[in-house]
Amino acid sequence: QKEVEQDPGPLSVPEGAIVSLNCTYSNSAFQYFMWYRQYSRKGPELLMYTYSSGNKEDGRFTAQVDKSSKYISLFIRDSQPSDSATYLCAMMWGNEKLTFGTGTRLTIIP
Amino acid sequence: EPEVTQTPSHQVTQMGQEVILRCVPISNHLYFYWYRQILGQKVEFLVSFYNNEISEKSEIFDDQFSVERPDGSNFTLKIRSTKLEDSAMYFCASRRDRGTFYGYTFGSGTRLTVV
Repeated sequence: QKEVEQDPGPLSVPEGAIVSLNCTYSNSAFQYFMWYRQYSRKGPELLMYTYSSGNKEDGRFTAQVDKSSKYISLFIRDSQPSDSATYLCAMMWGNEKLTFGTGTRLTIIP
Repeated sequence: EPEVTQTPSHQVTQMGQEVILRCVPISNHLYFYWYRQILGQKVEFLVSFYNNEISEKSEIFDDQFSVERPDGSNFTLKIRSTKLEDSAMYFCASRRDRGTFYGYTFGSGTRLTVV
């Protein structure tokens, strides 16, 4: 079983829709859970991070972590064409390396 | 906003040649990392570096790879004898504190093409 699994998509939704992106993981030691956005041929850009379980909201973005199910989600409300990118989940334990999912390619259709 | 800067943005090299990828981390950051992303695959950890020594490395980071912080600002990744399978995007990252996740910032990457 892979440490972090993420549906690669691609995912296309109309502008204004709510987007749900998800990852599952197998390593119960993970403590930090991140969502990065990556544009083509650019480095990952941090969107949100959460420590342990719970929800975190930042504007149109909400991150959820359910450690009991080993499942994390990112919700994007009122999606915009500028949200079109690849979204990577990433996890960390031991305060060192990040373990990434494969990324989900998202396109918001105007 | 502070940035991690990587040069060059794209490098083409012949198989067997040595390459050095360069990074300037954010100035008050103490922890430095290299990751790579082969086209179409996930971002993978290569190595972490703190206090002038490697603190962790992955199985990918074999004897062909080395890292160095030659002065107070640069952080380099050297690949001694490049192989075709080393073709990838290489990302440098830096972080201020080890106790929290705060500030884990990536550069824009160097695209390495081995021919």
